[in-house]
Amino acid sequence: GAGVSQTPSNKVTEKGKYVELRCDPISGHTALYWYRQSLGQGPEFLIYFQGTGAADDSGLPNDRFFAVRPEGSVSTLKIQRTERGDSAVYLCASSLNGRLINEQFFGPGTRLTVL
Amino acid sequence: DAKTTQPNSMESNEEEPVHLPCNHSTISGTDYIHWYRQLPSQGPEYVIHGLTSNVNNRMASLAIAEDRKSSTLILHRATLRDAAVYYCILRVYSGAGSYQLTFGKGTKLSVIP
Repeated sequence: GAGVSQTPSNKVTEKGKYVELRCDPISGHTALYWYRQSLGQGPEFLIYFQGTGAADDSGLPNDRFFAVRPEGSVSTLKIQRTERGDSAVYLCASSLNGRLINEQFFGPGTRLTVL
Repeated sequence: DAKTTQPNSMESNEEEPVHLPCNHSTISGTDYIHWYRQLPSQGPEYVIHGLTSNVNNRMASLAIAEDRKSSTLILHRATLRDAAVYYCILRVYSGAGSYQLTFGKGTKLSVIP
């Protein structure tokens, strides 16, 4: 079956611009996660959705970062006034139910480069 | 935060077993031990998880020490496709309704043909 997909695969933008990154989770998965991975590091948790609501946004670094999941499936991570330090691979994952110990299925990521 | 300690890198010959160690001395009774791996230019992939007992699946085996302060991921016959970064993770209930995955730097496994 189809896995988690993310678009675009690569995004190059200029400092100060706004970007949106999209995640399509596996159909039927109620939990959706966003992570950020810098070069040479493991993924870092950003935010978790259970259904439409953000159940845990403790990993968002500041108020320039925002994510939505209005219909409980597709999610968009939004970054305002991008900075060079935002350059990273942004990973999305989904699981059957975030309240249980289910495995997370990851997408291939979006590589964001801020010039 | 519950933390794990892994070697930065390991090497294995193809078709030989690989034992990837992980120390988690601060583990609490309800923390699950998860392993994920990340192949080059891909997102992480679930490998295995366990709580107290040893676990086997089609990908690997997980051996958990009796005191749970360490564990070992065992790949029974390494293939070139197993070359990846392997992450040992304690899955802790965040208190905000989720079981977060807190990744460290992992162990980079190289497989020699």
